[in-house]
Amino acid sequence: KNEVEQSPQNLTAQEGEFITINCSYSVGISALHWLQQHPGGGIVSLFMLSSGKKKHGRLIATINIQEKHSSLHITASHPRDSAVYICAVRVLAGAGSYQLTFGKGTKLSVIP
Amino acid sequence: NAGVTQTPKFQVLKTGQSMTLQCAQDMNHNSMYWYRQDPGMGLRLIYYSASEGTTDKGEVPNGYNVSRLNKREFSLRLESAAPSQTSVYFCASSEAASGSVWNSYNEQFFGPGTRLTVL
Repeated sequence: KNEVEQSPQNLTAQEGEFITINCSYSVGISALHWLQQHPGGGIVSLFMLSSGKKKHGRLIATINIQEKHSSLHITASHPRDSAVYICAVRVLAGAGSYQLTFGKGTKLSVIP
Repeated sequence: NAGVTQTPKFQVLKTGQSMTLQCAQDMNHNSMYWYRQDPGMGLRLIYYSASEGTTDKGEVPNGYNVSRLNKREFSLRLESAAPSQTSVYFCASSEAASGSVWNSYNEQFFGPGTRLTVL
């Protein structure tokens, strides 16, 4: 069974700090997703990556396939970044589709 | 485009009652998914539909049924609700991987969620 572990579970940061959230998984995957769940409950996809690094604004996601590890970095954090960040790994489920296995999420609170 | 829509947003049921959660997407996606989210746990897949006309069980299918009504709509039915089904339910959709699946990186788009309480 594929396990997805995120750390830390909870993170409180001062505005402007550099933040790192980690994700480790146990089996081979085809891709890894980082998602953001807003306090209101909505879920949006931030990144989907299978190798290397991706950057979008102040967010950077990296993945090391050999080490089965990914990190999400937030530079110059802001209170509006406060959310739950979820790591999910994609494994092939057959019939041309795939399934996602999710981590439990990291709750980030950025204090002004 | 509305993306992925779900109805209702909130629902309270009594044990043994039945209900259907509706999901629709307007992105012409082939694959659709139902997840549940419980406190302290990651999202878990209940059922998915890789394409119109097919449905498959996910990690936690017991107590649920699904119908892929057409390409746009994918419903989740609770025939006899139980308190253990109290949860937040999310529908999602994505383009189906085709061809060389290892090179098809398809993003999942989520609906706003349905908060269900079973008393």
